[in-house]
Amino acid sequence: GAVVSQHPSRVICKSGTSVKIECRSLDFQATTMFWYRQFPKKSLMLMATSNEGSKATYEQGVEKDKFLINHASLTLSTLTVTSAHPEDSSFYICSVQDAYEQYFGPGTRLTVT
Amino acid sequence: AQSVTQLGSHVSVSEGALVLLRCNYSSSVPPYLFWYVQYPNQGLQLLLKYTSAATLVKGINGFEAEFKKSETSFHLTKPSAHMSDAAEYFCAVSLSGNTPLVFGKGTRLSVIA
Repeated sequence: GAVVSQHPSRVICKSGTSVKIECRSLDFQATTMFWYRQFPKKSLMLMATSNEGSKATYEQGVEKDKFLINHASLTLSTLTVTSAHPEDSSFYICSVQDAYEQYFGPGTRLTVT
Repeated sequence: AQSVTQLGSHVSVSEGALVLLRCNYSSSVPPYLFWYVQYPNQGLQLLLKYTSAATLVKGINGFEAEFKKSETSFHLTKPSAHMSDAAEYFCAVSLSGNTPLVFGKGTRLSVIA
């Protein structure tokens, strides 16, 4: 299966700043990547579908201007949390899709102070 | 619309005892069903998946699950629990192998020595 990495694994930022999270597919060219958010002791919530070379598709209730997604190449998708607030603190996980299943990255823990 | 219900947010078993984690699904079409395991501050690892082939699916680490259409269930079992099985387990459903996943709320498995 595909190997997926995320960077950084942990980030702490101040309220009002922006943070970029990278999701890389190391051994597979991914036309589609997914971004999920996981709250403490909660399930994963799909935020958006990232499509290479086109605009991301956001799930209902997810602010596209706050969570900017760029899928510029077949191996890299980025999620930028703009003007972060403490309520954006969460665990963000990306996944890469092939024809049969999804492969998940190790996640990024974002803490906004 | 699809949904997944995991009965029991926390299950505790003794080492060597049977593990049973329950999952019921709702889907308008024949579903693809998945079980994932998540260790603290890590991403998700696929345990097993059902894709309309054999109803009894064997996965990694001795886990297996049985798809029962009449009961709309996909319960996860393991004959003998190990301490290393302690983790969070998520059941998920999708329309196909490469569409976004809808996750259950997760079940935390504790294994007591």
